[in-house]
Amino acid sequence: KQEVTQIPAALSVPEGENLVLNCSFTDSAIYNLQWFRQDPGKGLTSLLLIQSSQREQTSGRLNASLDKSSGRSTLYIAASQPGDSATYLCAVKISYGKLTFGQGTILTVHP
Amino acid sequence: GAGVSQSPSNKVTEKGKDVELRCDPISGHTALYWYRQSLGQGLEFLIYFQGNSAPDKSGLPSDRFSAERTGGSVSTLTIQRTQQEDSAVYLCASSLAAGGPNTQYFGPGTRLTVL
Repeated sequence: KQEVTQIPAALSVPEGENLVLNCSFTDSAIYNLQWFRQDPGKGLTSLLLIQSSQREQTSGRLNASLDKSSGRSTLYIAASQPGDSATYLCAVKISYGKLTFGQGTILTVHP
Repeated sequence: GAGVSQSPSNKVTEKGKDVELRCDPISGHTALYWYRQSLGQGLEFLIYFQGNSAPDKSGLPSDRFSAERTGGSVSTLTIQRTQQEDSAVYLCASSLAAGGPNTQYFGPGTRLTVL
């Protein structure tokens, strides 16, 4: 059974810092991995999707890497801003349709 | 264009009642997914549809839960004889197709509270 773990569970940083969120998964036979953000009381917003054949994806200040063989992904956020405060979730796809999610990292960026 | 919409946004019901939750996917998306998010369990997959068929129902917690999709569009998730442990946020998502590098786009969710 695929298990997804995110570390740390919570992170508080001052504005302007670069930071890394970690995600690990137990079964390396994945189709892809997605990073989402969730704001309080809202649905999920997709940030980046990395195919199993890819090593990384970038979007603006976000960079996600994937090391499938070791079962790890990281989300790098550059020059963090208070608006980045949210819960960040990683999810892996191991079969058609279904995503398996981690528990999330609650990020707080304070001015 | 419009995103995924869900209704109602909030539902409070009494234990033992039946409830129906509705999801309108993004137009043209053939795949539709239901997930449940609760404090203790995180975000869990329930079921997905490709067109009107449900190839994977493995996440439905019990036979009190059912879902259908008609016309390859709107889906309803029905919970019969609700229990307090059914209280959660029910999230719907859609994508162009279930396979391939297709991003799942999520709706805002329905918060279900069973008293």
